[in-house]
Amino acid sequence: SQQGEEDPQALSIQEGENATMNCSYKTSINNLQWYRQNSGRGLVHLILIRSNEREKHSGRLRVTLDTSKKSSSLLITASRAADTASYFCATSNAGGTSYGKLTFGQGTILTVHP
Amino acid sequence: DAGVIQSPRHEVTEMGQEVTLRCKPISGHDYLFWYRQTMMRGLELLIYFNNNVPIDDSGMPEDRFSAKMPNASFSTLKIQPSEPRDSAVYFCASRPLVVNTEAFFGQGTRLTVV
Repeated sequence: SQQGEEDPQALSIQEGENATMNCSYKTSINNLQWYRQNSGRGLVHLILIRSNEREKHSGRLRVTLDTSKKSSSLLITASRAADTASYFCATSNAGGTSYGKLTFGQGTILTVHP
Repeated sequence: DAGVIQSPRHEVTEMGQEVTLRCKPISGHDYLFWYRQTMMRGLELLIYFNNNVPIDDSGMPEDRFSAKMPNASFSTLKIQPSEPRDSAVYFCASRPLVVNTEAFFGQGTRLTVV
């Protein structure tokens, strides 16, 4: 079953603009992660934010986490054509019998036009 | 380390045949995950292991699917008998025991059942 829901499902922007993707989840988590997938390839990890963190930066990436609303956002600043890919959020379960379970949202397809 | 290694990369089989997908996780990683990706259903977690023990197999679609991890360096996902609706890309991922760490994905096996 899918843990998270992401929106938008697809996002089309021009190079240089910022891209924002959102993710919502349902269970208690240890952390939330964002991954990128180029067409037909495996997923590559971008950034991890722990449940006790609210914001994290890595290069042009900014992630926020609101555990009270069970939601996260990924901001890519100054986008480039090479950022064109699918982006997924994933949550790591915090407790119970499924501790460590890593489940993914449906993903956002980002297209950056040169 | 060469990363997570999956084989075969592509598999075409006839309906009713048995299919075995293989995965070699990164050495020292304690968690191993099997996912299935389709356009309709996105990235679904099928089963995951911790220290070779299956923890949660609630995502396994039906009894035709089975997964094993006989040792820390090898896992298989078997479909018997295969059906056209099993056509998908199957990913294996592994991560260390420490909870706030990323998962590393293999390149996937593209399965086509005709």
